[in-house]
Amino acid sequence: EDQVTQSPEALRLQEGESSSLNCSYTVSGLRGLFWYRQDPGKGPEFLFTLYSAGEEKEKERLKATLTKKESFLHITAPKPEDSATYLCAGSGWTSGSRLTFGEGTQLTVNP
Amino acid sequence: DGGITQSPKYLFRKEGQNVTLSCEQNLNHDAMYWYRQDPGQGLRLIYYSQIVNDFQKGDIAEGYSVSREKKESFPLTVTSAQKNPTAFYLCASSTDRDYGYTFGSGTRLTVV
Repeated sequence: EDQVTQSPEALRLQEGESSSLNCSYTVSGLRGLFWYRQDPGKGPEFLFTLYSAGEEKEKERLKATLTKKESFLHITAPKPEDSATYLCAGSGWTSGSRLTFGEGTQLTVNP
Repeated sequence: DGGITQSPKYLFRKEGQNVTLSCEQNLNHDAMYWYRQDPGQGLRLIYYSQIVNDFQKGDIAEGYSVSREKKESFPLTVTSAQKNPTAFYLCASSTDRDYGYTFGSGTRLTVV
């Protein structure tokens, strides 16, 4: 059974204080590792897909990296508008198009 | 612009009542999904469909039903058999090409 675990559950940062969110996964035959951003009361918004260990992708202040067991979402010099819940999900060859989601990390960036 | 539309945004259900949540997409995606989200928990898969007229149970299908008569539409019915239906419901769609999901804006269902 595929499993995705995110840590920490919640993270408070000061504006400009860089940090990382962790996503540990056990997915049989990983096809893709996904990161989403979710604002309160809204649907998740796609950020990145990573396909193989060593891959990195960047978007503004966010950079996602992937190893064989974990993915990290690095946030550099965050701003209050980066406050949201960040979701990680994995898809394996045995699960078809199904994604297994972690429980999310709720990020708060204080001005 | 292409996207997924969920309606209504808020829905109230009385005890013993069936309610249907709408999900429509104009992205020409083959696969569609229904997830349930509870506070402090991740998204849990209710049902999914990879092709018209076919669908499969997810991890928490009990008390729910779906249909997929058209490629664009994947409605979810929350039946009276679902004992704890209060939650945020999310519909999503995807293509096989990139496996990423596009989500709707969600329906918040409350039992009154």
